[in-house]
Amino acid sequence: ETGVTQTPRHLVMGMTNKKSLKCEQHLGHNAMYWYKQSAKKPLELMFVYSLEERVENNSVPSRFSPECPNSSHLFLHLHTLQPEDSALYLCASSQAGGPSKAFFGQGTRLTVV
Amino acid sequence: AQSVTQLGSHVSVSEGALVLLRCNYSSSVPPYLFWYVQYPNQGLQLLLKYTSAATLVKGINDFEAEFKKSETSFHLTKPSAHMSDAAEYFCAVSGFVGAQKLVFGQGTRLTINP
Repeated sequence: ETGVTQTPRHLVMGMTNKKSLKCEQHLGHNAMYWYKQSAKKPLELMFVYSLEERVENNSVPSRFSPECPNSSHLFLHLHTLQPEDSALYLCASSQAGGPSKAFFGQGTRLTVV
Repeated sequence: AQSVTQLGSHVSVSEGALVLLRCNYSSSVPPYLFWYVQYPNQGLQLLLKYTSAATLVKGINDFEAEFKKSETSFHLTKPSAHMSDAAEYFCAVSGFVGAQKLVFGQGTRLTINP
């Protein structure tokens, strides 16, 4: 248990569905992140929120829409995904502004059919 | 800009043997360097980190890594491999300013032979 909880752990969705991934941390961190982990590729940073403001969007398609309502919660809203979006989506949190360590959730395994 | 290269996508060692996982980095600012481990169906867990203090960093489960600026390397070692060390290992680099944005290497899958 790392203190970062992601739900659901597994998700299968059709290309026309709308779903959301949830991430929650109670570590007192003020930065949260979404990473995508695909087979045979390095982890890709998707979004960074620092102090509840989005500070980075790494050219992620608009079919992925993040939301950070407070410093403890982070969502990733999904709609009209493609099969190539199937991957493990990892949430992480840390203290912003210094070399603190990032804590990762266990991830959501997403399959788009 | 920062990047990480992990040499060898798959490393196999015998139980009790030395583990050596290689990582080279590129960074335009003084780097912070990390090694993470990922067990099957799990998220990433921090093994150790280098933050410009001692160049030899000790982590959990007897892992350690040495920062060598001249070689731009941060290789991970463990004197004696255990079966439970079988996992995927990721080297990562980040800068200092702003939120901590980790740039990961491709990962190295470590297999332990009995």
